[in-house]
Amino acid sequence: DMKVTQMPRYLIKRMGENVLLECGQDMSHETMYWYRQDPGLGLQLIYISYDVDSNSEGDIPKGYRVSRKKREHFSLILDSAKTNQTSVYFCASSSGVEQYFGPGTRLTVL
Amino acid sequence: GMPVEQNPPALSLYEGADSGLRCNFSTTMKSVQWFQQNHRGRLITLFYLAQGTKENGRLKSTFNSKERYSTLHIKDAQLEDSGTYFCAAADTNAYKVIFGKGTHLHVLP
Repeated sequence: DMKVTQMPRYLIKRMGENVLLECGQDMSHETMYWYRQDPGLGLQLIYISYDVDSNSEGDIPKGYRVSRKKREHFSLILDSAKTNQTSVYFCASSSGVEQYFGPGTRLTVL
Repeated sequence: GMPVEQNPPALSLYEGADSGLRCNFSTTMKSVQWFQQNHRGRLITLFYLAQGTKENGRLKSTFNSKERYSTLHIKDAQLEDSGTYFCAAADTNAYKVIFGKGTHLHVLP
């Protein structure tokens, strides 16, 4: 059963704290993505990873960084979170054909 | 304009009605994917198309790369079809996917 997992599902942090969002996939997909979703804006691409240690900025990378040390794991890191980073974050993976999405992480930065 | 324009932004239908959603692309896209986001926020893949038409039950989707559009038709709408529908298209870099802003569908009893 093909699966993308995200941890945690819900997170509340204070402004200035560091945030780590984790994503895993069991399909051996080379390509993984991080998106954020805000009301009225659809999904916006933050970073894309083409394979281990091969990461590329998406459309809104500012304030974020990523880490991909194993093919099955892709992490999103917020160093010193800001209130405008409150959002729902989705991870996805792809073999180059369709994308598979995780359940999302709802992050609130107070 | 926007690379992916999705219309309408919102739609209300009575149960049993048919309707269509559309995405227009500002450039030639290699593929399109349609998703439904349910009330729990989960993104469910409906279709992936590199060309042509696919059907699945009451849903049917068409992708015309040359004419730069894709459609999603819903037949005999049911209450559980309510949610937000997104199209997402991959351009010449097939790995980079651009999302439309979504269509909020409300099916009324």
